[in-house]
Amino acid sequence: QQQVKQSPQSLIVQKGGISIINCAYENTAFDYFPWYQQFPGKGPALLIAIRPDVSEKKEGRFTISFNKSAKQFSLHIMDSQPGDSATYFCAARKDAGNMLTFGGGTRLMVKP
Amino acid sequence: DAGVTQSPTHLIKTRGQHVTLRCSPISGHKSVSWYQQVLGQGPQFIFQYYEKEERGRGNFPDRFSARQFPNYSSELNVNALLLGDSALYLCASSHYRDLETQYFGPGTRLLVL
Repeated sequence: QQQVKQSPQSLIVQKGGISIINCAYENTAFDYFPWYQQFPGKGPALLIAIRPDVSEKKEGRFTISFNKSAKQFSLHIMDSQPGDSATYFCAARKDAGNMLTFGGGTRLMVKP
Repeated sequence: DAGVTQSPTHLIKTRGQHVTLRCSPISGHKSVSWYQQVLGQGPQFIFQYYEKEERGRGNFPDRFSARQFPNYSSELNVNALLLGDSALYLCASSHYRDLETQYFGPGTRLLVL
């Protein structure tokens, strides 16, 4: 059972454009929502994370928007750069546990 | 400071064999979690160990086992390997004051033939 659904599976954006990746979850017990970036041959690296009591969090060019009532959250990458080309994963964690449930991933390509 | 380290980086085994994967957490981190990432998919949680005790287990068969040592390093063992066990095995560590922030290692790529 896929508890975190991520879309799109792949995304092509021009340099300088905005990349938007969406995730939806089912379990209302989730209380922590991180985004990870993964380059080929590397492990996932934490980008930014949010808790459900906040509707938006911004760190540099990366912004998470969170809609608790819709059980959806999204990652916005502003001024996308070719170096941002990677696979991005959303994830969710339930309270009192350290198990992350990951989405299926989005392969982002930023064209120069 | 060194990040999470894993060994070996790559491994080839045949069906029915046993494999042991190793992980050293970031210095000062006492929690280690293991994930399996099949090609083209997101990581799936296998185990979490904290202070040498199992604190969480994902939906994996008993062929998968793990342990954590007094220095907080960890081993993941998989018995009776199946072709479907071919994947990238990731280890993540976190600090006891910030357990939710998990730092991943580069992984061990396992191929089962």
